[in-house]
Amino acid sequence: DTGVSQNPRHKITKRGQNVTFRCDPISEHNRLYWYRQTLGQGPEFLTYFQNEAQLEKSRLLSDRFSAERPKGSFSTLEIQRTEQGDSAMYLCASSLLGEKLFFGSGTQLSVL
Amino acid sequence: RKEVEQDPGPFNVPEGATVAFNCTYSNSASQSFFWYRQDCRKEPKLLMSVYSSGNEDGRFTAQLNRASQYISLLIRDSKLSDSATYLCVVPPSGTYKYIFGTGTRLKVLA
Repeated sequence: DTGVSQNPRHKITKRGQNVTFRCDPISEHNRLYWYRQTLGQGPEFLTYFQNEAQLEKSRLLSDRFSAERPKGSFSTLEIQRTEQGDSAMYLCASSLLGEKLFFGSGTQLSVL
Repeated sequence: RKEVEQDPGPFNVPEGATVAFNCTYSNSASQSFFWYRQDCRKEPKLLMSVYSSGNEDGRFTAQLNRASQYISLLIRDSKLSDSATYLCVVPPSGTYKYIFGTGTRLKVLA
């Protein structure tokens, strides 16, 4: 399968715990994006990378969120001290030189 | 004003009907525009890009109105399988930060 891969598909955690999600983009894609989506809303931009450089981060993203793409390939998104309001679908997407976005199936986070 | 705005719907239409959605954007310098489709509990997938002169792909037509800062999507001869949420995407000028609208839900009824 050469599409965007996200792990895990589902994550249930208790409030206050840290969680980390992984995204493996399409191999030749240089841009990688993270979005968050809640029911009835469109995907909300969180951050994006070009190769290993994090070019933009949403002002809505608190300091509890951090993303990395250390070698310009896969990326991780970590949420520290999770809150119930963090419950959402976290979507990763990749693109090649600003062309269309290809999305992974997402990680559904539930914070209890 | 939100960067990208859509009527959330739902739009309930009978099979065979023609339906149109609009999406307004705030950044007048934006150069790229897209429509994505999202099925329930699935990831968004590109439906079509929107070109300045307008473009058509089968039953789907996309248009851009720069003066009024909106894009539109027209679906002719609606099928049950067209039922989905349609998201418009507009990156602000000079960035590849793709901003999504809230989406418009379409239900095509038998």
